[in-house]
Amino acid sequence: SAVISQKPSRDICQRGTSLTIQCQVDSQVTMMFWYRQQPGQSLTLIATANQGSEATYESGFVIDKFPISRPNLTFSTLTVSNMSPEDSSIYLCSVITTGESGYTFGSGTRLTVV
Amino acid sequence: GQQLNQSPQSMFIQEGEDVSMNCTSSSIFNTWLWYKQDPGEGPVLLIALYKAGELTSNGRLTAQFGITRKDSFLNISASIPSDVGIYFCAGPSSNSGYALNFGKGTSLLVTP
Repeated sequence: SAVISQKPSRDICQRGTSLTIQCQVDSQVTMMFWYRQQPGQSLTLIATANQGSEATYESGFVIDKFPISRPNLTFSTLTVSNMSPEDSSIYLCSVITTGESGYTFGSGTRLTVV
Repeated sequence: GQQLNQSPQSMFIQEGEDVSMNCTSSSIFNTWLWYKQDPGEGPVLLIALYKAGELTSNGRLTAQFGITRKDSFLNISASIPSDVGIYFCAGPSSNSGYALNFGKGTSLLVTP
């Protein structure tokens, strides 16, 4: 299965600032997603990162708040903009590849906004 | 997205006991996946199910894809302390391409 490197693994940020999270995959992948996991909660899909075009956002998530880039088939970034304490969560990228038996997740970025 | 109802929410058991958890949905799923998440880590796939009625094992874990395609269960036999974690069921959403919908998770604690 694909191996995902997600950076940073954790960060503590001041409110009003922005943080960019990187997701690097060791092979070309067809689909790449970004999820949020709020404290003690399940995973919620933020958006599907589309290679070479704008990401597809789920209800409740907007591009101005969570801009996403995907310049190629192995890399994507998620930016959490103008952060507030409510953005404190774990952010995870996930990929699937052709023939993959499941979906692989990065180890996540634990964000704390103070 | 399609809602997955997972139960129980948490379990506190003794080492050696068997564990069972399940997931139901009001919608049909064509794939059921079971993940485990350890603290500070991303979810790791345990078992994938692709066919109604399918029963699949992975070591001490056994999962089944319900005949109606609206439910699945995961059993863990002879639990050990390293089974501690949060277990999630998941299935591809029909509303979000191939992205996964997740259940709310079952938190498992195992005492020696």
